[in-house]
Order: sequence, then C-alpha cells, then structure tokens
Amino acid sequence: GAGVSQSPSNKVTEKGKDVELRCDPISGHTALYWYRQSLGQGLEFLIYFQGNSAPDKSGLPSDRFSAERTGGSVSTLTIQRTQQEDSAVYLCASSSTGANLYFGPGTRLTVT
Amino acid sequence: GDSVTQMEGPVTLSEEACLTINCTYTATGYPSLFWYVQYPGEGLQLLLKATKADDKGSNKGFEATYRKETTSFHLEKGSVQVSDSAVYFCALSDQGDYKLSFGAGTTVTVRA
Repeated sequence: GAGVSQSPSNKVTEKGKDVELRCDPISGHTALYWYRQSLGQGLEFLIYFQGNSAPDKSGLPSDRFSAERTGGSVSTLTIQRTQQEDSAVYLCASSSTGANLYFGPGTRLTVT
Repeated sequence: GDSVTQMEGPVTLSEEACLTINCTYTATGYPSLFWYVQYPGEGLQLLLKATKADDKGSNKGFEATYRKETTSFHLEKGSVQVSDSAVYFCALSDQGDYKLSFGAGTTVTVRA
C-alpha cells in the first residue's frame, strides 16, 4: 500500500507568517511522529501521537509550534510567526504500536 | 540524556571496497539500536536494528553488532556497490520504538 505522504514537499514563507505542514500516515498505523532535520544536524524529535492524543510533546521547541491529529489519521504541524531558525526539513513517521517507524519524504521549509 | 555520535562524513569509496561507519551512544537504560538509510530523493528507511547486547542486525549485506561494553553499534559492509550511496543515520530508542535519538548522519558516496 501507500507509504507515509507529506505535503507540501517544499514551502517558502516570509518571516512572521504561519505555516501548516500535513502528514498522511500509513493506513492503520496508530502511532505518528514528527521530527525535524536542520542543516548539518541530526534528526530532532518533536512530538509523538498515539491515536489522537499526544503523550509526548517534549521536543516542540517553543509555543509557536503545535500539532494535532484527527480521526487517528492525518496530522498537521503548525508553526506560528515563523523565524529563520525554523528553516529545516520536517519529517513525519508512522508505525504500528511497538513496530518500526516508516518515514515520509519530508517537507522542506525555508523561512526568508 | 540519550545521545548518538557517529563518524563524520562525507565518505567516498570505490565499488567493492569495505565500509565501516562508527557509531557510539550514551543512554541511561538498555536502548534498542538502529541504522536508518536515506537514498537520494527517498525517505528514511530502517536498514537494521538490534534490541539487546551482542545482537547482530543484518540486511542488504550490512551488519552491526550491539556492543554494550564499548557502547557501540558500528555499521559494516564488506563490498559496497554504487547503489549503496546514501546518508546513513545511527539511532537509539530508550522507550520502545518511538522517540528515536539520531546521530548527525554520514553521507556515503560509492564510485564505479
């Protein structure tokens, strides 16, 4: 079946604007994760969903970042008042509980 | 906290050469260890994993052994091919298979 999909694949936005990044996990996967990869950095954990609940939000870097998941499926990561340091590739992954993570292709965000 | 340190790249090799990418970790518990690979233009995918000391993960000719005494999980392949050109990430999880902590990634280029 289809893998994890993310949209848009690329997003260029002006500093101060809000952006929404979307993730469609693999059908039936109960767990969903957001990671961020900044230039020259490894992947940084942001948030984890189990169903529609987020038991671990510890990686969100500031209160400008929020995420939600609806229907146990699609998730949206919202960044308000974007800053240049938010420029990164945002990766979404999904898994069956306790199983391997499957990653999407990512959204490359550039804040100018 | 948990962390992963992997050898810096980029690494350039000729076909049929041996590849070793060093990875060491710091963790408070008994983590599971992973190698993920990102081929050009594709999403991250699990290459192999090991869940306890002395386990050996293997896939596609790659191997890595979980060494608790040296806190290492080095990735090896005896004879690389051009198709192995990718970015390789070492990762650990101290809480089941979520909240992975990643290394910075090592870019490997194999020349024909």
